[in-house]
Amino acid sequence: QKEVEQNSGPLSVPEGAIASLNCTYSDRVSQSFFWYRQYSGKSPELIMSIYSNGDKEDGRFTAQLNKASQYVSLLIRDSQPSDSATYLCAVNTGGTSYGKLTFGQGTILTVHP
Amino acid sequence: NAGVTQTPKFQVLKTGQSMTLQCAQDMNHNSMYWYRQDPGMGLRLIYYSASEGTTDKGEVPNGYNVSRLNKREFSLRLESAAPSQTSVYFCASSVRATYNEQFFGPGTRLTVL
Repeated sequence: QKEVEQNSGPLSVPEGAIASLNCTYSDRVSQSFFWYRQYSGKSPELIMSIYSNGDKEDGRFTAQLNKASQYVSLLIRDSQPSDSATYLCAVNTGGTSYGKLTFGQGTILTVHP
Repeated sequence: NAGVTQTPKFQVLKTGQSMTLQCAQDMNHNSMYWYRQDPGMGLRLIYYSASEGTTDKGEVPNGYNVSRLNKREFSLRLESAAPSQTSVYFCASSVRATYNEQFFGPGTRLTVL
């Protein structure tokens, strides 16, 4: 079983819609969770981090964490064509003693006008 | 404030040649990481340095060596390059290993013929 799983997509949404990206993880002791955006040919860019159960909002982005279900998601409201990218879920699977990020394979998001 | 920088951006090697990938960060971060990214394999950790003076193996360390030269610089060396090491290499840094918000450099695209 992969440690961090994402639906590879592609996920296609119309401009202005809500894009919902999902991620599950297997290590119950994971403490911190991150979403990265990666444009084609570029490096990953950190867009959200979440450490506690519940929702965290930052502009058009909302991260949701449910540790009991081992599930983290990213909602993008009012999606724009510039949001078209690969979104990587990353989980700190090293507990609190040291940080080791494990990445999912990424979900390709396409926002069409 | 340049963040994380990497040199070179592109490199072509012949099998058996050696080279060093350079990484530097100006954010006063304690922890630094080297990843490789391959299609279908996602981002995989090669080596990391939790703090100056320490280095540890990640998921795929074979064929690589690292040096944490000082707090700012973390280099990755390929002693005898193989075609299987053709990949995009990313360096990242974080304030500290725990919790682990990592920030990535622009990457080095390496081809081994």
